[in-house]
Amino acid sequence: QITLKESGPTRVKPTQTLTLTCTFSGFSLSTSGLGVGWIRQPPGKALEWLALIYWNDDKRYSPSLKSRLTITKDTSKNQVVLTMTNMDPVDTATYYCAHSYYGSGHFDHWGQGTLVTVSS
Amino acid sequence: SYELTQPLSVSVALGQTARITCGGSNIGSKNVHWYQQKPGQAPVLVIYRDTNRPSGIPERFSGSNSGNTATLTISRAQAGDEADYYCQVWGSSSAEVFGGGTKLTVL
Repeated sequence: QITLKESGPTRVKPTQTLTLTCTFSGFSLSTSGLGVGWIRQPPGKALEWLALIYWNDDKRYSPSLKSRLTITKDTSKNQVVLTMTNMDPVDTATYYCAHSYYGSGHFDHWGQGTLVTVSS
Repeated sequence: SYELTQPLSVSVALGQTARITCGGSNIGSKNVHWYQQKPGQAPVLVIYRDTNRPSGIPERFSGSNSGNTATLTISRAQAGDEADYYCQVWGSSSAEVFGGGTKLTVL
């Protein structure tokens, strides 16, 4: 059974760096073809893909946010970490991590999401 | 960058068939995935790679993809199908892309 759970601060100040951790179970990121992605959703708005990391350490980023994002994995801990620099109130959103597959890109298991508010 | 266009809302009578479209340039050449999201919940995958249903998803949910339009079809719509639906593809620039979402109302 695959599960994922996001953790991190619920509130950050403008210009600060956000660090979110996705802790998962039921699969290993050392398994060929697997990946973990991050997706966010501002209140009342659509889903927005942020980043993906694959078993082979291949990393993909949203072109519009690439300069602010870093995604890493710790295979031994079953964790994926996303950092986003220079946070702004428009970055207020629920952040999800999700299990994915190389070459197809669909997200078949999602975490519950964590709401991050950017406010001074 | 690649863009996906969805209608803001679709309405369907109880027991009838709902069709939600997702438009994109030559989308028929891409794998399209569909998600259902109910208020306060994480999205749930309902169709992947155009036509495939994950285990646990009713046969009432089906997908098609051709030309510039992909379609999610929900047959015999139920009240429990009321939700937001999002399409997703692997777009250009090696980036995943989501559509803007469609709110399905079952009347």
